[in-house]
Amino acid sequence: AQSVTQLDSQVPVFEEAPVELRCNYSSSVSVYLFWYVQYPNQGLQLLLKYLSGSTLVKGINGFEAEFNKSQTSFHLRKPSVHISDTAEYFCAVSPGTNAGKSTFGDGTTLTVKP
Amino acid sequence: NAGVTQTPKFRVLKTGQSMTLLCAQDMNHEYMYWYRQDPGMGLRLIHYSVGEGTTAKGEVPDGYNVSRLKKQNFLLGLESAAPSQTSVYFCASSPFSGKSPLHFGNGTRLTVT
Repeated sequence: AQSVTQLDSQVPVFEEAPVELRCNYSSSVSVYLFWYVQYPNQGLQLLLKYLSGSTLVKGINGFEAEFNKSQTSFHLRKPSVHISDTAEYFCAVSPGTNAGKSTFGDGTTLTVKP
Repeated sequence: NAGVTQTPKFRVLKTGQSMTLLCAQDMNHEYMYWYRQDPGMGLRLIHYSVGEGTTAKGEVPDGYNVSRLKKQNFLLGLESAAPSQTSVYFCASSPFSGKSPLHFGNGTRLTVT
């Protein structure tokens, strides 16, 4: 079994400030890790993913995330946010087996204020 | 390339009515999923399919049925709707499980009164 905990349900931040959205996971098997973004009234879109290799992964829109196996974390960061980054962000884990299914965190609402 | 298309976009049902939500993908993906999204609860998997003709239960399958008669379509049925099924429903697909990210539709907002 696997689980995902997003540590902050809401993160307000001012435009051009840095932001970190925190995600911890637990799993008894190796996993793949994803961050998705959901803009209002839309479906989820892939932001970035960690499959293997370098623990720092870069995604779209200037976001990056770091996989930390010892702390079982996959925190999302952006050095300078824009108003257009206002959205809900979901962390997800998928087990490394063919029969696996993604498990999602409860989401973090990022609100960027002018 | 339309990706994942869900119909309808909105629906209001009375308690006890039935309906079918349709999901169609044009990416030739093997895996398809139905999730529901409720405020503060993230996405919860209802049912999924690993290929044409197959279905399996997810985390919250009660009150729902699914069918995957064609590879590109995945139908979600509610036989007797209940207010607890008021939610936003998302369909997703992926070429394989595990490594592949999910491709989502834009959702169906269902209200059961």
